[in-house]
Amino acid sequence: NAGVTQTPKFRILKIGQSMTLQCTQDMNHNYMYWYRQDPGMGLKLIYYSVGAGITDKGEVPNGYNVSRSTTEDFPLRLELAAPSQTSVYFCASSSGLAGGKTGELFFGEGSRLTVL
Amino acid sequence: GDSVTQMEGPVTLSEEAFLTINCTYTATGYPSLFWYVQYPGEGLQLLLKATKADDKGSNKGFEATYRKETTSFHLEKGSVQVSDSAVYFCAPRLSSYKLIFGSGTRLLVRP
Repeated sequence: NAGVTQTPKFRILKIGQSMTLQCTQDMNHNYMYWYRQDPGMGLKLIYYSVGAGITDKGEVPNGYNVSRSTTEDFPLRLELAAPSQTSVYFCASSSGLAGGKTGELFFGEGSRLTVL
Repeated sequence: GDSVTQMEGPVTLSEEAFLTINCTYTATGYPSLFWYVQYPGEGLQLLLKATKADDKGSNKGFEATYRKETTSFHLEKGSVQVSDSAVYFCAPRLSSYKLIFGSGTRLLVRP
């Protein structure tokens, strides 16, 4: 029962470095999402995808990029890391309303990123 | 625009106390409604859901009723336990694939 798997779980970056957060799901979900959660705050949507090859911006896309070459994978790229990107990042997936589903999201365990 | 408002935390209760966490939303139409829970150090997981007016979602002793007239989905539990300490998020579904999340309410239950 893997569900949504994120790597790495923890990472420390220096200002200006780049990295990719990996996310994969094994539920054949069309929809995938990246959120960030700042300390004591709610979730903010960074990017989302409605299917392979299709991505779109969420509320806070600046400083990030995504790609969706397969249904399973949705990596998040941080270019030129800044202290403001220190956060916990969550990947999620959903089947939407297909097959009578109710559209709930399934989340990974999160990736804690610190930029110093 | 679409929005969701939750009561601010932290909410601190003694074990076996009654819990209410308020949630109201503004959205077009009648969205499905969800409560998610986040235990310390973990990701969010679905707690319960309701898909139409007057539906009651329930799970692990928690309940919430979809109130169309007040656009609310308040979370309740009759007797909380220390293990219920977590952050709770209300989340209306705006479209076939998009949810919005409230700011979260932290619950701390003391023995």
